[in-house]
Amino acid sequence: NAGVTQTPKFRILKIGQSMTLQCTQDMNHNYMYWYRQDPGMGLKLIYYSVGAGITDKGEVPNGYNVSRSTTEDFPLRLELAAPSQTSVYFCASSELNTEAFFGQGTRLTVV
Amino acid sequence: AQSVTQLGSHVSVSEGALVLLRCNYSSSVPPYLFWYVQYPNQGLQLLLKYTTGATLVKGINGFEAEFKKSETSFHLTKPSAHMSDAAEYFCAVSEPGGGNKLTFGTGTQLKVEL
Repeated sequence: NAGVTQTPKFRILKIGQSMTLQCTQDMNHNYMYWYRQDPGMGLKLIYYSVGAGITDKGEVPNGYNVSRSTTEDFPLRLELAAPSQTSVYFCASSELNTEAFFGQGTRLTVV
Repeated sequence: AQSVTQLGSHVSVSEGALVLLRCNYSSSVPPYLFWYVQYPNQGLQLLLKYTTGATLVKGINGFEAEFKKSETSFHLTKPSAHMSDAAEYFCAVSEPGGGNKLTFGTGTQLKVEL
């Protein structure tokens, strides 16, 4: 019963490098989300998707990109990593008007 | 636009005492309301939710919350704290028909002391 799986769990990036955070869900949910969590700030929505092929910006999209080619996968791409992107990233999925299920998170440090 | 305010970033209670974590929201339409718990180095786990119907909702681990429209509140309570309740708690809202996007409060760290 995997739910939402994120890889990697930890990553250190140098300024200017790029990487992709992977997220996959096995619940056949249409809705998927990427949040970032910073101390004392709660979680902020980066991007979301309401189905394969459809994505939209959340509250803090700058510096990130996403794609949704399948129902299961929703990768988050960081181009030109900056120290401000040091954070914990959570992927989540849900169905309409139900609770979101979260992955275990990816802790990213940009140095 | 929605917003969520959690009063008290840190709350400390004695084991066996009442737990009360406060959440107030602002929304242009009656929202869906959620409480999530996060243990160290873990993802978020749903404690309970309110969508429609009974305004007093019961969740896991003995927690409950009451939706009070007139006060725009959704406070989380537990009659008797246990050491295992020590965690960070997040209140969140979503707008029905708004793509299920969650707006989170800044969280309350609950400490339980002997």
